[in-house]
Order: sequence, then structure tokens, then C-alpha cells
Amino acid sequence: DAGITQSPRHKVTETGTPVTLRCHQTENHRYMYWYRQDPGHGLRLIHYSYGVKDTDKGEVSDGYSVSRSKTEDFLLTLESATSSQTSVYFCAISADRFEGHEQFFGPGTRLTVL
Amino acid sequence: KQEVTQIPAALSVPEGENLVLNCSFTDSAIYNLQWFRQDPGKGLTSLLLIQSSQREQTSGRLNASLDKSSGRSTLYIAASQPGDSATYLCAATNDYKLSFGAGTTVTVRA
Repeated sequence: DAGITQSPRHKVTETGTPVTLRCHQTENHRYMYWYRQDPGHGLRLIHYSYGVKDTDKGEVSDGYSVSRSKTEDFLLTLESATSSQTSVYFCAISADRFEGHEQFFGPGTRLTVL
Repeated sequence: KQEVTQIPAALSVPEGENLVLNCSFTDSAIYNLQWFRQDPGKGLTSLLLIQSSQREQTSGRLNASLDKSSGRSTLYIAASQPGDSATYLCAATNDYKLSFGAGTTVTVRA
């Protein structure tokens, strides 16, 4: 299994509070991604990173920010959590974005915003 | 925008039967087609990756085919077992982005 950990694994928070999720990898892969998974919507990309300090938006980036100060860590921040951000969040990594490079997924973080 | 569709949404078969899972995509300019397995409450496990230049990929009882021109991929699971019960997701890679289908939930009855 690819060395990807996510923390916390479960979190319950209240509307309006800031929340930071962490993804840590031991594979030294260049690309890191944050997805959310919701019933009826499947998996959708929030943000991705193509190197240290290099990030870009995915299809559902509103309300989220990211940072990557080290190759191994990719942080997802909800500046002011809303109930619509209740979801399961997955981090993924890949060595590159081209043909032949798989994306590997972490175990997920279940976030509940009350 | 890439749209990925998986049919059927659910499938129930007796143990030993072969499984056929279908995936279609609208944009054929893909780098890869990746198949995943997801157990309830768990993360995604990568099963197979087919590069755009390949027609199929095999791993044990699993075989996946890719036809870019028609925008289709099929996952075959031979001699199904109860342990194969899970949701199977396909995802197409365009540039950096994976676009996922909604999945096929498989139940293998003992």
C-alpha cells in the first residue's frame, strides 16, 4: 500500500469554525490531491498540488484553501465550516500526471459539521 | 468536461459467476483509465490502471479492457467470490484530473 495517512480520521465541528485536515505521504510523489465524496455526487476534486507551494483549484474549491510547504504534507483548510461541507475527504497522490501514473488514495477523513 | 458513467448501478450474482462491469466516458483524450474498489466506510483501493496506449490489463482474476474510440472500459472479474462484494469505481484521467463514475455496487451471494 502507498504510504498515505490522513488526520484526523473523524471530526465533528460546529458551523463557522475553522478546520484543517492533513495528508501525509512517504512516497515522495510530486502530485497530491484532495477529493470529497458525497452520496449522489461521487468523488469530486477540491484542490491539487503539483509541487511545494504549487497548488491549483479543482471543480469544487469554493470554501476551501490548501497549502503545501513540504513535499510530504498537503493541508486542506475550511476557513469557516458549513453544513454543506459535511463529507468524507480523501487525499490522493501520484508520481506524475501523465500516462501510466496511478493515483493512490488515503483512508479518508469523515467530517461532520453541525 | 469529462463525464463518466457506470452501468449497472448495482449487481447481485451467485458465487462462481463471472462479473462484467461497464464504464463509459465522453472525452477520449485520456491518459489512463483506472479501476478502484471501495468497501463500505473505507478508502479506495486501486485495482488496475490501463494506459491510453493499451487495450487491456490483467491482474489475477481481474481483466480490464479499454476502447478509447468508443469511450468504453469493461472490468471482468472471473469466478466471483463473496469477498468480491464491494463498490467498483472507474475513473478517467485527463491531464491532472481523475473524473469518477458513480460506481457499481456488487453483491456476491454465497
